[in-house]
Amino acid sequence: QQQVKQSPQSLIVQKGGISIINCAYENTAFDYFPWYQQFPGKGPALLIAIRPDVSEKKEGRFTISFNKSAKQFSLHIMDSQPGDSATYFCAASGQGAGGYNKLIFGAGTRLAVHP
Amino acid sequence: ETGVTQSPTHLIKTRGQQVTLRCSSQSGHNTVSWYQQALGQGPQFIFQYYREEENGRGNFPPRFSGLQFPNYSSELNVNALELDDSALYLCASSFDLFMDEQYFGPGTRLTVT
Repeated sequence: QQQVKQSPQSLIVQKGGISIINCAYENTAFDYFPWYQQFPGKGPALLIAIRPDVSEKKEGRFTISFNKSAKQFSLHIMDSQPGDSATYFCAASGQGAGGYNKLIFGAGTRLAVHP
Repeated sequence: ETGVTQSPTHLIKTRGQQVTLRCSSQSGHNTVSWYQQALGQGPQFIFQYYREEENGRGNFPPRFSGLQFPNYSSELNVNALELDDSALYLCASSFDLFMDEQYFGPGTRLTVT
């Protein structure tokens, strides 16, 4: 019940296209859902995050869509650029699901944006 | 404001040895969490420290231990190293225990031979 399932494992998108990565969770006690971007040899960088009281959050080219009833959330990268090529992780945490700041991560999606 | 820093960057140890990894939190942050990231996988929560006390632990054996100091810097110690301990070890800091946002350091790449 603590798992976060992420798909796809890898994704190839043409420059200017839309990248979509999906995550699903089981534990309804999760109440914080961040996305992290990780480049090779670097630590994960917080990209954008959402809480269950909203269905969508947008920051620049990055949008999170959240479906509470389906227990799913997704990351959309608009106008994808070669510099967006990285591994993306969804995660979840919650006071009633192990505690604040104790993130449960998905397995990651390796995104390649071709010029 | 400085970000999260970790040392060393890389480390090679032999099975059975002990290792200490270090982390300096982002300025003003009093909560530190440690994660293990095996190659090709997502990070896994090891444990968390808040104001020098352990505040939760993931599914890791007791040979993984930690410390947090009064300046909120932190150490991860691993005893009796096993080959499967080879991974990227990440520390993440938060402004406070009840703040969700965590900021990760660059990690320490540990190789056990």
